[in-house]
Amino acid sequence: DGGITQSPKYLFRKEGQNVTLSCEQNLNHDAMYWYRQDPGQGLRLIYYSQIVNDFQKGDIAEGYSVSREKKESFPLTVTSAQKNPTAFYLCASSMDRDLEQYFGPGTRLTVT
Amino acid sequence: EDQVTQSPEALRLQEGESSSLNCSYTVSGLRGLFWYRQDPGKGPEFLFTLYSAGEEKEKERLKATLTKKESFLHITAPKPEDSATYLCAVLSNFNKFYFGSGTKLNVKP
Repeated sequence: DGGITQSPKYLFRKEGQNVTLSCEQNLNHDAMYWYRQDPGQGLRLIYYSQIVNDFQKGDIAEGYSVSREKKESFPLTVTSAQKNPTAFYLCASSMDRDLEQYFGPGTRLTVT
Repeated sequence: EDQVTQSPEALRLQEGESSSLNCSYTVSGLRGLFWYRQDPGKGPEFLFTLYSAGEEKEKERLKATLTKKESFLHITAPKPEDSATYLCAVLSNFNKFYFGSGTKLNVKP
């Protein structure tokens, strides 16, 4: 059963702590993405990766970091430098950069 | 400035009352336009891709159309289970995706 998984579904952290969100796909897709979704706003791109060991900053990369050591995995770390980390985070993948993206179920991060 | 605008922000329909959602865009060349459905607390679900003006795609009660400046998602005889937020995304010639903020559809029985 192919798809994208994100874990955990809900995550709570104290301010000042780094936290890592997991994203795994078994669709054999080359490209993977991280988005942030806030109420009333469109999805905003944080980072994307077209191939293993390579990734690019999106529109709002400050305070975030990623790695792409395996084709299937693209974890996102929200660092303490991110000023407004509370949000719904979505991971996506696509066969190629210019094709439709398929999304995971999302992780809701709350930082207090 | 490249952007995608969806209207209306919210739409309430009675079951069976057909309507259309709009996605207008201004981007540097269109490579593709994508429609997604998103249920509360979940990730967007891919619906359609449109590549050129005049193209149409259909799936059950949904039909997506594309012109040079906008796309419409027509919903024919909607049911309560069609209630969701519908997102539009555009891929520009510079390989950049732009997402609209969505139309929240509520279909009452």
